[in-house]
Amino acid sequence: SQQGEEDPQALSIQEGENATMNCSYKTSINNLQWYRQNSGRGLVHLILIRSNEREKHSGRLRVTLDTSKKSSSLLITASRAADTASYFCATVYTGANSKLTFGKGITLSVRP
Amino acid sequence: DADVTQTPRNRITKTGKRIMLECSQTKGHDRMYWYRQDPGLGLRLIYYSFDVKDINKGEISDGYSVSRQAQAKFSLSLESAIPNQTALYFCATSRAGGTNEKLFFGSGTQLSVL
Repeated sequence: SQQGEEDPQALSIQEGENATMNCSYKTSINNLQWYRQNSGRGLVHLILIRSNEREKHSGRLRVTLDTSKKSSSLLITASRAADTASYFCATVYTGANSKLTFGKGITLSVRP
Repeated sequence: DADVTQTPRNRITKTGKRIMLECSQTKGHDRMYWYRQDPGLGLRLIYYSFDVKDINKGEISDGYSVSRQAQAKFSLSLESAIPNQTALYFCATSRAGGTNEKLFFGSGTQLSVL
């Protein structure tokens, strides 16, 4: 399976702290996406970064992509209790006909 | 109203039964997908369809079949349900037109096979 792998599997931080989550993948990609899932609900798209981009921002989210290391990181700044959720990276591999392959996810807990 | 609607939200069935999970969307997207989620395994692609006449197997299609009845409707069937098909099932959609499209997910169907 060509899943991305997120690291760490679980993260617990205090409200106001920054949360950094990492994703590594195996082969060349067209893009990498991050999704969020609140407990038992559908996934919601957060941000997409193309293979020719190195960094993107969206509100309190910052995503970086290092294609030489086949890795990405998602930074959530000034975390809030409402950021508690599972976060997934997903990749569109080159030649994969637009299909997304998901990692196993990171569980983020933000303590009030 | 939800853009991607899955029915039912929860289903309990017995081994050997045939069941159908339904998905409808109002987003006007051509592409539709079925994923299953198991604890600790992330999401795995079962089937996908890029238009009404296009059906493709994903990485775990054995034991499943699909029907794309219209642009807006994509159904997943379990011909003879078995306990290891107990999982959370998601339908998703995306626009056509390239590789840089994001997915829109339904709220999921929790299926339990006893």
